[in-house]
Amino acid sequence: GAVVSQHPSRVICKSGTSVKIECRSLDFQATTMFWYRQFPKQSLMLMATSNEGSKATYEQGVEKDKFLINHASLTLSTLTVTSAHPEDSSFYICSASTSNTEAFFGQGTRLTVV
Amino acid sequence: ELKVEQNPLFLSMQEGKNYTIYCNYSTTSDRLYWYRQDPGKSLESLFVLLSNGAVKQEGRLMASLDTKARLSTLHITAAVHDLSATYFCAVALLRSARQLTFGSGTQLTVLP
Repeated sequence: GAVVSQHPSRVICKSGTSVKIECRSLDFQATTMFWYRQFPKQSLMLMATSNEGSKATYEQGVEKDKFLINHASLTLSTLTVTSAHPEDSSFYICSASTSNTEAFFGQGTRLTVV
Repeated sequence: ELKVEQNPLFLSMQEGKNYTIYCNYSTTSDRLYWYRQDPGKSLESLFVLLSNGAVKQEGRLMASLDTKARLSTLHITAAVHDLSATYFCAVALLRSARQLTFGSGTQLTVLP
């Protein structure tokens, strides 16, 4: 299957700071990328869908001003958690796809806000 | 709104035993996925089921799909400890094969 690389795999930040997470499709061009959040012992919840060159579509209840998504190229999408708080601590997973393929998942990013 | 219900949530079984995990979904879909997740890791794709009656097998795992009943099963045969993990089913809406709604997950523990 295709390779999706997510970076960093782990990050610890102080409350009030911002953190950027990158999601790259390494061997294909991803027209669409998805960002999921997973709290401990829970399932994955879709946060937003981003299409290259356009604004992301956020799921209900997800603050778009807090979770900034940029999909500036066909191989890179970024999620920036702004003014992070401890309740934002979670496992963030991206997935990427072309128009006619299934989505491939990144390795995930464990965010801890202290 | 698409809802995906998975059960059981927790499954503890002894090595060598068989068991089935169930995944029900609420609206029409023709694409269902099964994933495995180890602690602290991302998702590993196990199966993609694309049509009614589809059955796929890999080792001790076998998945099936009944689109009329909106039900998929993941059957474990002669479980071994290495199968201990959390298993998720995920369903795609029609015409949106890549946006997934996940079940709650089944945490499987295989005991020696």
